[in-house]
Amino acid sequence: NAGVTQTPKFQVLKTGQSMTLQCAQDMNHEYMSWYRQDPGMGLRLIHYSVGAGITDQGEVPNGYNVSRSTTEDFPLRLLSAAPSQTSVYFCASNKGLNTEAFFGQGTRLTVV
Amino acid sequence: KNQVEQSPQSLIILEGKNCTLQCNYTVSPFSNLRWYKQDTGRGPVSLTIMTFSENTKSNGRYTATLDADTKQSSLHITASQLSDSASYICVVSLALYGNKLVFGAGTILRVKS
Repeated sequence: NAGVTQTPKFQVLKTGQSMTLQCAQDMNHEYMSWYRQDPGMGLRLIHYSVGAGITDQGEVPNGYNVSRSTTEDFPLRLLSAAPSQTSVYFCASNKGLNTEAFFGQGTRLTVV
Repeated sequence: KNQVEQSPQSLIILEGKNCTLQCNYTVSPFSNLRWYKQDTGRGPVSLTIMTFSENTKSNGRYTATLDADTKQSSLHITASQLSDSASYICVVSLALYGNKLVFGAGTILRVKS
């Protein structure tokens, strides 16, 4: 019963470096999303997907790319890391529109 | 602008006591309202989901209420336990194409013995 699995749990990047945050779910959910959580603020939607091959931008998409080649995986790519991207990133999946969302354990990213 | 406001920001209570957390929202079009519990260093975990027509829902010692007319919700925790120490997040789902959730900043609850 893995649910939503995120890797890595912690990462430190230098400004300008690129990396991919991994997210996988084993519940056959169509919907997957990426959020960032910053101190004193609610989670904000970065990108989301409503099915394999379909992605769309959320509230704060700049500096991030996503793809959804399979139902299970939804990686988030940072193209050129900036200190403003220091945050905790959560991946979530849900079965359908407006159904319960299941979250991964998060990736704490620091950009120096 | 779609917003979810929670109060208080933080709260300390003694083990065994009850408490109530508040959530006000200005989100349209509304689909449902959720309460999540987030332990330190973990992802949020769903406690309740309520649609427009539901005004109360319970999950063990957690009871959520919803007043869709005044756009207010509350989460009542009964007989608190040390393990209830966490951030409680109110989330409103938009009735739109896509997966749009609007998150409150959360209420940090600390239960002490």
